[in-house]
Amino acid sequence: QKEVEQDPGPLSVPEGAIVSLNCTYSNSAFQYFMWYRQYSRKGPELLMYTYSSGNKEDGRFTAQVDKSSKYISLFIRDSQPSDSATYLCAMSDSSASKIIFGSGTRLSIRP
Amino acid sequence: DTAVSQTPKYLVTQMGNDKSIKCEQNLGHDTMYWYKQDSKKFLKIMFSYNNKELIINETVPNRFSPKSPDKAHLNLHINSLELGDSAVYFCASSRDLQEKLFFGSGTQLSVL
Repeated sequence: QKEVEQDPGPLSVPEGAIVSLNCTYSNSAFQYFMWYRQYSRKGPELLMYTYSSGNKEDGRFTAQVDKSSKYISLFIRDSQPSDSATYLCAMSDSSASKIIFGSGTRLSIRP
Repeated sequence: DTAVSQTPKYLVTQMGNDKSIKCEQNLGHDTMYWYKQDSKKFLKIMFSYNNKELIINETVPNRFSPKSPDKAHLNLHINSLELGDSAVYFCASSRDLQEKLFFGSGTQLSVL
């Protein structure tokens, strides 16, 4: 079993829809949770960074962490075609000696 | 003014050759990394250096050798390239081990 599981998609939704992206994990020691966005032929860029459980909001993006269920989510409101990309969840434990990435979900927003 | 830059962007080579990928960051970060991304977009850490010292060395064949001449540079040398080495290699940096990663734009390596 992989430490971090993420549905690869592809996920296709119409412009303006609310998008929900999710990851599950098995290591209860994970404390830091991140979402990266990767456009085609580019490196990943950090979108959201949260510590421990709870919600964090930044513009149209909301990250949720449920440590009891070992489940994290990224919500995108009012989705735009420019949001079309691969979204990778990532996490690390308190030592943060290495960051483990999910395999990424490919998202397409239809105009 | 690119924060993390790596060269070359594309690298096509024959099996058995030796090649290098260079990475430089101008963010003043202490930690640098090499990640490998396979065709299914799975991103896996290979190495990390903190203040020029090797911190993480995952189960990577010893044909792969990182070299950090200073804090701003982390190069990756690959000997005796194999077909399975074909992937996109990303350099990244962070202020410290617990900090956010900043990635370069990747080097697409194709071994024929």
